[in-house]
Amino acid sequence: ETGVTQTPRHLVMGMTNKKSLKCEQHLGHNAMYWYKQSAKKPLELMFVYNFKEQTENNSVPSRFSPECPNSSHLFLHLHTLQPEDSALYLCASSQDSRTSGTDTQYFGPGTRLTVL
Amino acid sequence: AQSVTQLGSHVSVSEGALVLLRCNYSSSVPPYLFWYVQYPNQGLQLLLKYTSAATLVKGINGFEAEFKKSETSFHLTKPSAHMSDAAEYFCAVSPNTGGFKTIFGAGTRLFVKA
Repeated sequence: ETGVTQTPRHLVMGMTNKKSLKCEQHLGHNAMYWYKQSAKKPLELMFVYNFKEQTENNSVPSRFSPECPNSSHLFLHLHTLQPEDSALYLCASSQDSRTSGTDTQYFGPGTRLTVL
Repeated sequence: AQSVTQLGSHVSVSEGALVLLRCNYSSSVPPYLFWYVQYPNQGLQLLLKYTSAATLVKGINGFEAEFKKSETSFHLTKPSAHMSDAAEYFCAVSPNTGGFKTIFGAGTRLFVKA
């Protein structure tokens, strides 16, 4: 596979469930990102990892827990979510987030999450 | 602080007509500017980016954008719309001082009529 892949593509969960989103990049990049895309709102950055170290946590509630075991994989662990957390969750990667001024981000197709 | 404003959440054009999607930015330092496109059920894909070289930037699929510092604008254009251009388009701004601070606009959905 090439590019950035995300699984699952769709997820429906109850507020008491625990689930995880997975992202994998096959581009040899060192930076990975989680974004939340809600209807009628700008793309919201959630987390940034650079060389497996978390460099940005954009005031995300603790019910979202990221994990980056290596530069190719990124997870987003979900627990006790709220209905307003329903959105498209996008993963992206780039060569190095420290140079992101010119660094192109490559996005996965996203996971459509619905919280009941 | 940086910000980016996309004028018009929806734009509709006829096939073959000019496409113009507007983006204005605010940045306290010289910015880098990007346009991304998102097709249905897909992630964002880079169309083009301005990184302080030529002010007229050409991207993929026949799109181009012009950086106008005096107007703080980075509008996206395409001379002739194609049905396949129907998608959502996002303008983004990032400072050229390093570090991760890319800010995305709210997006403009482009409709192309036959």
